[in-house]
Amino acid sequence: EDKVVQSPLSLVVHEGDTVTLNCSYEVTNFRSLLWYKQEKKAPTFLFMLTSSGIEKKSGRLSSILDKKELFSILNITATQTGDSAVYLCAVVYNQGGKLIFGQGTELSVKP
Amino acid sequence: NAGVTQTPKFRVLKTGQSMTLLCAQDMNHEYMYWYRQDPGMGLRLIHYSVGEGTTAKGEVPDGYNVSRLKKQNFLLGLESAAPSQTSVYFCASSYSGSGNQPQHFGDGTRLSIL
Repeated sequence: EDKVVQSPLSLVVHEGDTVTLNCSYEVTNFRSLLWYKQEKKAPTFLFMLTSSGIEKKSGRLSSILDKKELFSILNITATQTGDSAVYLCAVVYNQGGKLIFGQGTELSVKP
Repeated sequence: NAGVTQTPKFRVLKTGQSMTLLCAQDMNHEYMYWYRQDPGMGLRLIHYSVGEGTTAKGEVPDGYNVSRLKKQNFLLGLESAAPSQTSVYFCASSYSGSGNQPQHFGDGTRLSIL
């Protein structure tokens, strides 16, 4: 059975901390892995990863994929209260661009 | 830029009623998707479409029907609503289905079935 598992499910940190969010997957015909940030409404796209070992970076956020060990991490450095959100990991598999999502990690950043 | 627009944003139905959720995208995307999001379960794919006039089942299709008569619109129908269909519904679209383009999401429709 195809699945994506995220850990931890929830996390509380203080401003300035660095956090690492984990995503492991078991899918047939892996095509890519995506990270989304979800606040109150629509998930917003952060990163797409297709190759192992190549770090994607955007400001304080970065992500990397390990296709041998079947996992990805999302790092956030110098966290801010605006980083509070649910972070979703999803994998594109098979034809049609279908996504299978993990349960999400709820991050709360305290002032 | 409108992107992906969902209507309505909220709706309350009684068991057995029917309704249609509308998704419209203005990005000329070929692929469109309907998901439901429930607490602790992430997003699950209901149905999807790889182009105008096509539809296919996703992970949880039972109780739902879809239509893609126009490229820019993807409709999700509930013929006889059940309390188990209480959820937040998200529509998404993407240019490609090969996994090299991200999906873009609408703001969601919160649906309650009493």
